[in-house]
Amino acid sequence: AQSVTQPDIHITVSEGASLELRCNYSYGATPYLFWYVQSPGQGLQLLLKYFSGDTLVQGIKGFEAEFKRSQSSFNLRKPSVHWSDAAEYFCAVDSNQAGTALIFGKGTTLSVSS
Amino acid sequence: GAVVSQHPSRVICKSGTSVKIECRSLDFQATTMFWYRQFPKQSLMLMATSNEGSKATYEQGVEKDKFLINHASLTLSTLTVTSAHPEDSSFYICSARDQMGDPLYEQYFGPGTRLTVT
Repeated sequence: AQSVTQPDIHITVSEGASLELRCNYSYGATPYLFWYVQSPGQGLQLLLKYFSGDTLVQGIKGFEAEFKRSQSSFNLRKPSVHWSDAAEYFCAVDSNQAGTALIFGKGTTLSVSS
Repeated sequence: GAVVSQHPSRVICKSGTSVKIECRSLDFQATTMFWYRQFPKQSLMLMATSNEGSKATYEQGVEKDKFLINHASLTLSTLTVTSAHPEDSSFYICSARDQMGDPLYEQYFGPGTRLTVT
């Protein structure tokens, strides 16, 4: 069965510092991987996705993620965090089959300190 | 990109009443839609898979008689919370998979519906 683990429940980063959010997945075949961001009281916004090709994926808002098959990881990074990046971040895995849904990790809350 | 809408965005209802939430795919057809539930400070939990023209498939622990799902057309799925109670208060999010997508049958999410049961 598919599963996603986000080991860090809450991370605090200083504004301007770099960020890395961890995501590990469990899936038997090649996974399709996603990172979403959610601000309080809002819906999900897709940051980036990976389904094939270059293992370093660029997304919106200056985020990137690297797929590492050997480590079953898809960590999210940003070189310089802005206060507006404070939000909840979810990693998700998809089998890309018509009848199956995305499976989400438990999320990581990012706080940004000044 | 494809758009999924939900209506209403917020609803407050009294305990014991029923509430219907609509999920529409605006610019693509979706034979399969999904309903998630999100409690405060928690992740999205899949409740059910909605299949056009057939019965929904519910995840373990989700009461199908309480959460009625109807997927009557290729662009509309509805979730009805029957005899709502305060513990049903939550954020409900739907998604739809664009099965014409190439190469990825990408799943698009609605903006969510905040249900508060008083």
